[in-house]
Amino acid sequence: KAGVTQTPRYLIKTRGQQVTLSCSPISGHRSVSWYQQTPGQGLQFLFEYFSETQRNKGNFPGRFSGRQFSNSRSEMNVSTLELGDSALYLCASSLTGQLSYEQYFGPGTRLTVT
Amino acid sequence: EDQVTQSPEALRLQEGESSSLNCSYTVSGLRGLFWYRQDPGKGPEFLFTLYSAGEEKEKERLKATLTKKESFLHITAPKPEDSATYLCAVRLVGSGTYKYIFGTGTRLKVLA
Repeated sequence: KAGVTQTPRYLIKTRGQQVTLSCSPISGHRSVSWYQQTPGQGLQFLFEYFSETQRNKGNFPGRFSGRQFSNSRSEMNVSTLELGDSALYLCASSLTGQLSYEQYFGPGTRLTVT
Repeated sequence: EDQVTQSPEALRLQEGESSSLNCSYTVSGLRGLFWYRQDPGKGPEFLFTLYSAGEEKEKERLKATLTKKESFLHITAPKPEDSATYLCAVRLVGSGTYKYIFGTGTRLKVLA
């Protein structure tokens, strides 16, 4: 069974640009969550999508947004990039998000903002 | 404020030297505690879920336990391949929604 895939794996952007990251969940999983991981803050929850609807949102500014498609694939967008957005962005999928709580993570996208 | 604290931050063990990692939490609305293993440059790998005090789960050399205020990840006779960062996370429910809070992890190094 294929795991969670994320593309691209590495990305270098300039301040002020925007970026879109993609996540394909495990087949049959309907919930996709996004996290930001930095050395100083650890893993921080961005948002969760279930059946194309945002169900939960963390404490991040509106520059961070996402969406989920009918095939459960999800994208995350960050606009007007700042140096502090440099991080490993992880997505995790789970079966339903409520009945099965285990989350399975992808390898992440390493974003560097210069 | 909901908080998850892991200790120690880093741990070096000799191969075969058993030890325990701690995850303590002060939260409300706990609906599950999770342990993950993360290797450098990779996403966290799910290990265990614990739901109620007294619950224990085992997998190979790892055993996770849960009390009302903390969880332990016991590593028995570790091997170098057990070297990784171990993360715990809690799932909290409240006001019709839920969230996950992760600890900052324990970096484990097992020496041959």
